[in-house]
Amino acid sequence: GAVVSQHPSRVICKSGTSVKIECRSLDFQATTMFWYRQFPKQSLMLMATSNEGSKATYEQGVEKDKFLINHASLTLSTLTVTSAHPEDSSFYICSALGGAWGGGEQFFGPGTRLTVL
Amino acid sequence: AQSVSQHNHHVILSEAASLELGCNYSYGGTVNLFWYVQYPGQHLQLLLKYFSGDPLVKGIKGFEAEFIKSKFSFNLRKPSVQWSDTAEYFCAVTPGKTGANNLFFGTGTRLTVIP
Repeated sequence: GAVVSQHPSRVICKSGTSVKIECRSLDFQATTMFWYRQFPKQSLMLMATSNEGSKATYEQGVEKDKFLINHASLTLSTLTVTSAHPEDSSFYICSALGGAWGGGEQFFGPGTRLTVL
Repeated sequence: AQSVSQHNHHVILSEAASLELGCNYSYGGTVNLFWYVQYPGQHLQLLLKYFSGDPLVKGIKGFEAEFIKSKFSFNLRKPSVQWSDTAEYFCAVTPGKTGANNLFFGTGTRLTVIP
């Protein structure tokens, strides 16, 4: 149980285009999901907290107009990188917060490798 | 701002050797502490966590960690590593009583176990 999927696993796009990444909790409902970014040989950096039915909360320094987050249902959150540029190339990881049954644990997806040409 | 330090970037051990990975955090209040593991090509998995109670926490696969509040540390240990323990290990902290919200991760330690 407690599986989180991400789609796509990797994507290559041209500079200036937008890319949507999906994060799904497959066997549980998650009112809260998180989006992280991981640079090579560096730690995961929290980008934003996504709450179902409300606006996402962005961390300092993260442009909310560039990284659009939509948490439209209890099992799906999407991250759209708008007008992508090469510096947006990174590994994006989502997680879903388990409820009391999960001890308040975050369950992580496998990540999406974005390459912007 | 909160920060998490993992001083060992890459650790190489032979099978059956003992392991200790350091983790220090900079937050003076109540914290919740986690160790995650990322096997090659896989997603992050929780090894163990500390919220309160016994500062010596036992996790999966024979791992344990000890919370030493006075040292702001939460080091990960395993008495005898196996080749299958080769992975990246991340320490993480959440401040306050927020459970697993707002995780702050360390930079990770790559463990390579030589058969």
